[in-house]
Formats: sequence, C-alpha cells, structure tokens
Amino acid sequence: QITLRESGPTLVKPTQTLTLTCTFSGFSLSRSGVGVGWIRQPPGKAPEWLAIIYHNDNKYYNPSLMIRLAITKDTSKNQVVLTMTNMDSVDTATYYCAHKRPGWDLLFDFWGQGTLVTVSS
Amino acid sequence: DIQMTQSPSSLSASVGDRVTITCQASQDIRKYLNWYQQKPGKAPKLLIYGASNLETGVPSRFSGSGSGTDFTFDISSLQPEDAATYYCQQADELPINFGQGTRLEIK
Repeated sequence: QITLRESGPTLVKPTQTLTLTCTFSGFSLSRSGVGVGWIRQPPGKAPEWLAIIYHNDNKYYNPSLMIRLAITKDTSKNQVVLTMTNMDSVDTATYYCAHKRPGWDLLFDFWGQGTLVTVSS
Repeated sequence: DIQMTQSPSSLSASVGDRVTITCQASQDIRKYLNWYQQKPGKAPKLLIYGASNLETGVPSRFSGSGSGTDFTFDISSLQPEDAATYYCQQADELPINFGQGTRLEIK
C-alpha cells in the first residue's frame, strides 16, 4: 500500500531555510502520471498547496511562494525534498506530502501524517 | 487563481440527519472538484473526487454532485464518526486551492 512520511526540523528560526524530506513507499515516482505534492496547513486554517513534482521532473509552485520554494526528487531513494527559504512566523504550519494519483490531475489520494514546523527565535 | 467559497463555515446536526455542504468556484472548473474529510490531528482524507466519484472504501452515505462553478457534498444519514472538518479542493488548474472548510459538529 502507499505510504508517505515527512521528516525534518520541528523548530526553525526566522530567516532560516527549512528542508523537509518526504519518504514514500508503495509507488514509483518514475511511473508515468505520478506526482508528489507538498501542502501545508497553519493551525486552525485551511490547507495551502505549495508545490508538486511529476515523474518527468516537471515542477510547479504556488505563485505566492514560488521565489522561496524548491522541490526535488531522488527516485532511487523514493524521496522528495522541499526547501523553503527565509522562514517567518507566518510559515508555522503542519507540512504534508501527498501522492498525486496518475490519470487524475491534481488529485491527492494518499497523504503523510504531517510534520508540525514552528518558526520562532 | 481560482477561489473556492465553501458554506456554511460550521454546522451542527444530529445523528441520522442529512447534511449538505456547498462549494462555489470563482470560475468554471468543469468536474474537477475533490472533497476531503479532516479530523483533529490527522491528515485530510479523500472522500469524493471528480465532483461525484466515491473514493474506494468510503461509506456510501457520502456523495457529491455538481459541475461548472457550483458543487454539493452530502451526508445522507449522519453518523457520530462524521464529526470533522470538510474541505473542497479545485483540481482544474494550478495553483490548487482549497475552500476554507466546514466544521461539522454532532449534536
């Protein structure tokens, strides 16, 4: 079955760069149509989509955060990495990675448990 | 960007009630609308995709309908375990956007 797990720091300081890793199993990111996305959710608020990377290495970002984000994949390790620069307190949120179903665009059918990242000095 | 407006923002209903949540897109998204359920401390769970397709393993009391800009999510007979926050998500184009959520409480 498909599983995803996010890992990374739980606390970062303002202006620092956040690096999160999504380690997955049960699917291959080299399969046509597959993608992995990152979504975050500030406490008590709606989810916000951040980025997605596809099997062919195409990458797309939320325009509002694009200049701060980078997404990469390591197919051999079954990992996707998200970096976000210049962190601020408003970036405090639970960060999720999710599997995009092949054949259905922009449909996230399996999600990781999420990791809470707090931005504070 | 396509904006998603969900209503109501919260509601309270009794076990056995029929519950309806609506989601309106700021422009035509055809049938590309997904619904998620989220319980406290958990990740969103996919319930409905493509506006009306029930995800495998999801109880049949959940259903969705609509196309274009107006969509509806229904729970035909509310159960205690349905207490959660529900989100719509447009899947027609990037950037992906979610509705602001509907918090469902069981009386």
